[in-house]
Amino acid sequence: DAKTTQPPSMDCAEGRAANLPCNHSTISGNEYVYWYRQIHSQGPQYIIHGLKNNETNEMASLIITEDRKSSTLILPHATLRDTAVYYCIVRLPINTGTASKLTFGTGTRLQVTL
Amino acid sequence: DVKVTQSSRYLVKRTGEKVFLECVQDMDHENMFWYRQDPGLGLRLIYFSYDVKMKEKGDIPEGYSVSREKKERFSLILESASTNQTSMYLCASSLARNSNQPQHFGDGTRLSIL
Repeated sequence: DAKTTQPPSMDCAEGRAANLPCNHSTISGNEYVYWYRQIHSQGPQYIIHGLKNNETNEMASLIITEDRKSSTLILPHATLRDTAVYYCIVRLPINTGTASKLTFGTGTRLQVTL
Repeated sequence: DVKVTQSSRYLVKRTGEKVFLECVQDMDHENMFWYRQDPGLGLRLIYFSYDVKMKEKGDIPEGYSVSREKKERFSLILESASTNQTSMYLCASSLARNSNQPQHFGDGTRLSIL
C-alpha cells in the first residue's frame, strides 16, 4: 500500500468547512483512497473513498487531484462532533491474505472549536 | 447503513480466564476481521475470515482463536487471558474478497485483564 502524509493537527471553527489534505505521491494506478475517522474511545468510522473522480456522500466530499498524488477531504460544515483523528489510507481493492488488513498512519487530529 | 455490533464496550477479566468477544454484522458481508489497537502500535490484525467456518491468521494470532459458525457472527477467543492482552479490540466487516468496498468497524471492546 502507498504511503500517505497528513498534517498532524488542524483547527476549524464550527460551521466552517474543514479541508483535510493528504499526500500520496507514490500511489499506483489501481489503488483507492479511503478516509476514516476515529473519535476518542470509539471504533474507526468509514467516511468516503474514491479512485480518481471526486466523490460526495452525506458526510463529506473527496477531491482527488488529476495526477492522483494528493487528495482533500472536505467536511462542508464542521460541528463539534467532527472533532476526531482523520486517517487517509491508500490501498488496493484486494482482501486476500494479510493484504486485507488496514494500516492507519498517525492521521490528522482535527479540533473543531466554537 | 452497515451495522457492526460488538457485544461489550468494556470488559474486565482475570488472568487465565477464557474470554469470548462477539461480533455481529447485519449486511451479509463475506469478510470479517478482528484487530487490536494499542497506543503507539496502531491497528494490528489478529484473525480474519472470508466465509463461514473459514479463518486465516493475521499478524498477531498467538494467544487467540476465532470461530465463524454463521456468516453474520465472528467470535474472538482468548484461550487463557494474560495481562498483555489488555487492549481495545475492534471487529470489522467488508463486502467481498476482491472489492473496493471499505471495512466497517464496530465501536470496539476495551478489555482489561487483571
